[in-house]
Amino acid sequence: SAVISQKPSRDICQRGTSLTIQCQVDSQVTMMFWYRQQPGQSLTLIATANQGSEATYESGFVIDKFPISRPNLTFSTLTVSNMSPEDSSIYLCSVGWSGGASDTQYFGPGTRLTVL
Amino acid sequence: GDSVTQMEGPVTLSEEAFLTINCTYTATGYPSLFWYVQYPGEGLQLLLKATKADDKGSNKGFEATYRKETTSFHLEKGSVQVSDSAVYFCALRDAGGTSYGKLTFGQGTILTVHP
Repeated sequence: SAVISQKPSRDICQRGTSLTIQCQVDSQVTMMFWYRQQPGQSLTLIATANQGSEATYESGFVIDKFPISRPNLTFSTLTVSNMSPEDSSIYLCSVGWSGGASDTQYFGPGTRLTVL
Repeated sequence: GDSVTQMEGPVTLSEEAFLTINCTYTATGYPSLFWYVQYPGEGLQLLLKATKADDKGSNKGFEATYRKETTSFHLEKGSVQVSDSAVYFCALRDAGGTSYGKLTFGQGTILTVHP
């Protein structure tokens, strides 16, 4: 398993501003993902954060809106750019390992974002 | 593409009642299947998983069996407690391809257990 922390845990932001969310893992992981959970909804994958290369985005999500960095095997950031009230969601980081016996993903506690 | 369908909620039960939350899926290949739980105000936690047909995942009195013939992974518990009140998510992990590692979630089922 892995212990995952996210910063900030919550924030209230103004329309048009940007927020960067950090995800830190206590061990090296192969895969890191960013999900969004809109109010009362399920989780939707935004992108896969690839170490040392550009993130892989899911349909409906673009790099200009959600730039992602992953400088090493234990850390990633997600930026929500030019925010609008529709971006109010919980953003979750998850980690996993490719191959091997474990295919479980573990989730961070989430960042609750409110955009006014 | 992959999809997961859960029974609609919310589900309200009395303590010690039997619980079933239905989950069916559509996927190519042989995905791994998961149940995650989200307690009020907390993050997502893995409850149980199964990685191949006929596997049974179990944890904390909850069980789910990977049924390939019916593409289902229903969650069951024989006697629920108030502390089981939470949102339950069924999910699958693609076996490979371009979305390797991606989890696809169902819409979630809210469970409320009354004393």
